[in-house]
Amino acid sequence: QSALTQPASVSGSPGQSITISCTGTSSDVGSYNLVSWYQQHPGKAPKLMIYEVSKRPSGVSNRFSGSKSGNTASLTISGLQAEDEADYYCCSYAGSSQVFGGGTKLTVL
Amino acid sequence: QVQLVESGGGVVQPGRSLRLSCAASGFTFSSYGMHWVRQAPGKGLEWVAVIWYDGSNKYYADSVKGRFTISRDNSKNTLYLQMNSLRAEDTAVYYCARGVGVTIFLLDIWGQGTMVTVSS
Repeated sequence: QSALTQPASVSGSPGQSITISCTGTSSDVGSYNLVSWYQQHPGKAPKLMIYEVSKRPSGVSNRFSGSKSGNTASLTISGLQAEDEADYYCCSYAGSSQVFGGGTKLTVL
Repeated sequence: QVQLVESGGGVVQPGRSLRLSCAASGFTFSSYGMHWVRQAPGKGLEWVAVIWYDGSNKYYADSVKGRFTISRDNSKNTLYLQMNSLRAEDTAVYYCARGVGVTIFLLDIWGQGTMVTVSS
């Protein structure tokens, strides 16, 4: 149950696009199309942003999109806005358990 | 509205026990799997445990297996986490979350968390 690998930080200017990668193994990300992404603002509970690799829950902006190739999943945020500044965590089902990434701090410059 | 409210956190000495509770409202609690997820200070999220909607299946992270027990009382709409043999590394905010999706491992609703500090 090793954590998925994410970059510690990414940054972008308002209006730009950024991509956060999430690398796992053939036992988690590579085996299941069950990758999700969570957004967490300081002092708040996480919020589901993407599920099953690329699906968006109702109410989540279409500026958020997800994809996967092999053992690596990605979250792309287009048209960056100030309120997107937060920590982002990927998560993968791993067969009767799940594993989170270490988290990526997104800074909107 | 759909809500999860954790309670029971506090400061506890290493080796002692603590029980967390999570009160659910606004949805049919007995129809959903439930999870505990924790977050150490300044660190990332760590999945802890899951329990099926009827309590028939329970799974744990290796880091807590044998020490923590997840349970639920559907008549009280409440989820529990019994934590025994606590260690300093168990210090974290503990969140309960509702599980949905094909595997019930998708966490769509989260509580606000309760802080557990293990220290002498």
